[in-house]
Amino acid sequence: NAGVTQTPKFQVLKTGQSMTLQCAQDMNHNSMYWYRQDPGMGLRLIYYSASEGTTDKGEVPNGYNVSRLNKREFSLRLESAAPSQTSVYFCASSGAGTIYGYTFGSGTRLTVV
Amino acid sequence: SQQGEEDPQALSIQEGENATMNCSYKTSINNLQWYRQNSGRGLVHLILIRSNEREKHSGRLRVTLDTSKKSSSLLITASRAADTASYFCATDANFGNEKLTFGTGTRLTIIP
Repeated sequence: NAGVTQTPKFQVLKTGQSMTLQCAQDMNHNSMYWYRQDPGMGLRLIYYSASEGTTDKGEVPNGYNVSRLNKREFSLRLESAAPSQTSVYFCASSGAGTIYGYTFGSGTRLTVV
Repeated sequence: SQQGEEDPQALSIQEGENATMNCSYKTSINNLQWYRQNSGRGLVHLILIRSNEREKHSGRLRVTLDTSKKSSSLLITASRAADTASYFCATDANFGNEKLTFGTGTRLTIIP
């Protein structure tokens, strides 16, 4: 099925460990986004890639890095996980920025202990 | 900081009734979008309204936009149990068209 695929769906990390969240879309979208969702906080933008070859910081980028590997894939890396990074992470894509609606993945639930 | 703020935070209604939720935002926008999120799932795009539009319909959904008041409303008519979800508004800034900022959402519960 066409859409946004995120892996893994669940992950438990120990403080200080690193990991990469993977995201891939098969809709030939130009723009891709990483958000985190915390209770009572809505969704907050971590990083985004308006087009292949570009990445920019969002509202809460500290502690994260991203790679736009190609037009399909946009990964999010936690270099040294902290309990404050316990959250649900969503990847999204769109044809061209905010002109169209976003398509979201099903999320990665990350717990840092 | 949140661009959009939904009101109310939670809403419970009987099946068949209409549900109205509101969104206020702070800066000029190009468009405003509404999304639905079922428990444990990703967000699903419902409808987009551009800054030069005042009202838009899609099935049982009706969205209004008042740019002078920086506010929008989402009306769901003849609610169904399957409409139980959280609803988020999202806005872009009137510069860049690159990213959306989401509100904190309205939790809608439809009582059968």
